[in-house]
Amino acid sequence: DSGVTQTPKHLITATGQRVTLRCSPRSGDLSVYWYQQSLDQGLQFLIQYYNGEERAKGNILERFSAQQFPDLHSELNLSSLELGDSALYFCASSPNTNMNTEAFFGQGTRLTVV
Amino acid sequence: AQSVTQLGSHVSVSEGALVLLRCNYSSSVPPYLFWYVQYPNQGLQLLLKYTTGATLVKGINGFEAEFKKSETSFHLTKPSAHMSDAAEYFCAVINTGTASKLTFGTGTRLQVTL
Repeated sequence: DSGVTQTPKHLITATGQRVTLRCSPRSGDLSVYWYQQSLDQGLQFLIQYYNGEERAKGNILERFSAQQFPDLHSELNLSSLELGDSALYFCASSPNTNMNTEAFFGQGTRLTVV
Repeated sequence: AQSVTQLGSHVSVSEGALVLLRCNYSSSVPPYLFWYVQYPNQGLQLLLKYTTGATLVKGINGFEAEFKKSETSFHLTKPSAHMSDAAEYFCAVINTGTASKLTFGTGTRLQVTL
């Protein structure tokens, strides 16, 4: 158990819909990172938050947004969903602003868009 | 920008045989290098990492990797494969300069046969 909790584990939704994925980091970790894992793109970094502020942005679509709340949990919002958004979405956390010490990954949320 | 290339998307070995998973990196500054393992329907677990110091790094489950600057490589090895090693393995890099988030390779699926 990494200590990073992601909910829900599975999500099936229709095209055009909006979903919210939730991540609770390990106790004491201030950074949260979101990754998308798909068959064609592999593991792609989406966005990082550190102590409530956006820290780094990767290949995140404009239809996607995220935030980190005062209790440090984070939510990834995906809207106007397309079939190609079907993927495994991982959250990771680390104690500070970077991942070079150790980052802990959650078990992921598998999103299926039908 | 830093990147890693994993040679071979699928590797099959017999139980008890040597495991060798290849990773080459590209980085303009000294990198931090990582190997992660993903078991079916699980998140990513850190196997080992190289930051500074000794170039031969030992990780969990009997795995080790050697950082070779001259070859820009960080190959993962295990002397004797076990059935439980069957999983997907990801090499990843962080630039020490930016040290923000992990950039992953495309992964290598390891199959272990009897």
